Amino acid sequence: GAGVSQSPSNKVTEKGKDVELRCDPISGHTALYWYRQRLGQGLEFLIYFQGNSAPDKSGLPSDRFSAERTGESVSTLTIQRTQQEDSAVYLCASSLNRPHNSPLHFGNGTRLTVT
Amino acid sequence: QQPVQSPQAVILREGEDAVINCSSSKALYSVHWYRQKHGEAPVFLMILLKGGEQKGHEKISASFNEKKQQSSLYLTASQLSYSGTYFCGTVGGSQGNLIFGKGTKLSVKP
Repeated sequence: GAGVSQSPSNKVTEKGKDVELRCDPISGHTALYWYRQRLGQGLEFLIYFQGNSAPDKSGLPSDRFSAERTGESVSTLTIQRTQQEDSAVYLCASSLNRPHNSPLHFGNGTRLTVT
Repeated sequence: QQPVQSPQAVILREGEDAVINCSSSKALYSVHWYRQKHGEAPVFLMILLKGGEQKGHEKISASFNEKKQQSSLYLTASQLSYSGTYFCGTVGGSQGNLIFGKGTKLSVKP
């Protein structure tokens, strides 16, 4: 079956521009997650959706970052006025149920480069 | 709060064993383990839940000490394919999100 799909796979943008990253989770998965991974670093939690709601937005680094999920399916992560420190791979994952007992399935990520 | 993993890195020869540890300062509902190879997405290995239930690959062994808020991943008779970075992720409650540690880089040499 289809896995988690992220688009674009690569994005190069100029500092100050806005970008939108898209995630299509596995069909039927109720939970969706966004993580950021800087080069050679770990997985930094950004936001988690259960259905279309985000119980915890505390991981978003600043008010330039926002995310939404619609139809308990696709999610978009928007970064406004991009900065060079936003350069990273943005990973999306989905799970069938809540994270305490369901494995996460990761997409291949969007590599964002801010010049 | 981010769990702490140890060691940060380990180098093994094929056939050797390794243990990767994960600890948290808060009460845990479950612990996840994932492996990420260079340039690839993380892949699920195992979930350990309160009460002793485990879900994951048969060839992977792990433990979860709820009282100590610690988990360990046991890699026995290592193979070259075991190389990668191992992440533990902790969930602090049934409604909680999944926070990962900084990772343990494992290198298996011939």
